[in-house]
Amino acid sequence: GQNIDQPTEMTATEGAIVQINCTYQTSGFNGLFWYQQHAGEAPTFLSYNVLDGLEEKGRFSSFLSRSKGYSYLLLKELQMKDSASYLCAVKGGDYKLSFGAGTTVTVRA
Amino acid sequence: IAGITQAPTSQILAAGRRMTLRCTQDMRHNAMYWYRQDLGLGLRLIHYSNTAGTTGKGEVPDGYSVSRANTDDFPLTLASAVPSQTSVYFCASSDARGAPDTQYFGPGTRLTVL
Repeated sequence: GQNIDQPTEMTATEGAIVQINCTYQTSGFNGLFWYQQHAGEAPTFLSYNVLDGLEEKGRFSSFLSRSKGYSYLLLKELQMKDSASYLCAVKGGDYKLSFGAGTTVTVRA
Repeated sequence: IAGITQAPTSQILAAGRRMTLRCTQDMRHNAMYWYRQDLGLGLRLIHYSNTAGTTGKGEVPDGYSVSRANTDDFPLTLASAVPSQTSVYFCASSDARGAPDTQYFGPGTRLTVL
């Protein structure tokens, strides 16, 4: 089976940086995705990592270490609109996505 | 371009009733998926279809059926609803022609079974 762990909640101040960690144990690996989901809305794609290292996309960056089964999503210069749930998802050997339970980030003024 | 649409937006259903959740995409994606999202459990795959005419079972398929008669539509049917099927249901689609094969989600259907 697949096991994907991420913290349940995080709180940060507007303008700060927050790092959301994700650890995984899966049968095979074909990429790791991060999605953002605002309350009551659909998940939207943020980033994709398949090789080790850092992928940067504006204020958001995602890191992957396949040997450690570890990823993080880094949110810089936090804005109020970044308050949302962030979902870590791993594509396993069967090419199906398995999702973590999500991390709810609250940005405070 | 609408992307992915789902209907209904929400529904309250009596236990034992039959219900079909509709999903339509206009991106000509090959693959489509149905997930349910429950508090504390994240998104779980119910059924999927890699291409029109084929379907497969996901992690939690019991009590649900799907069909894929064409590329655009992927309905999910609950033959006899039970309260444990109360959830938010998301349909997704992907191109499935190579990495990263990103999945794009519809707006969801909130279903309550009483």
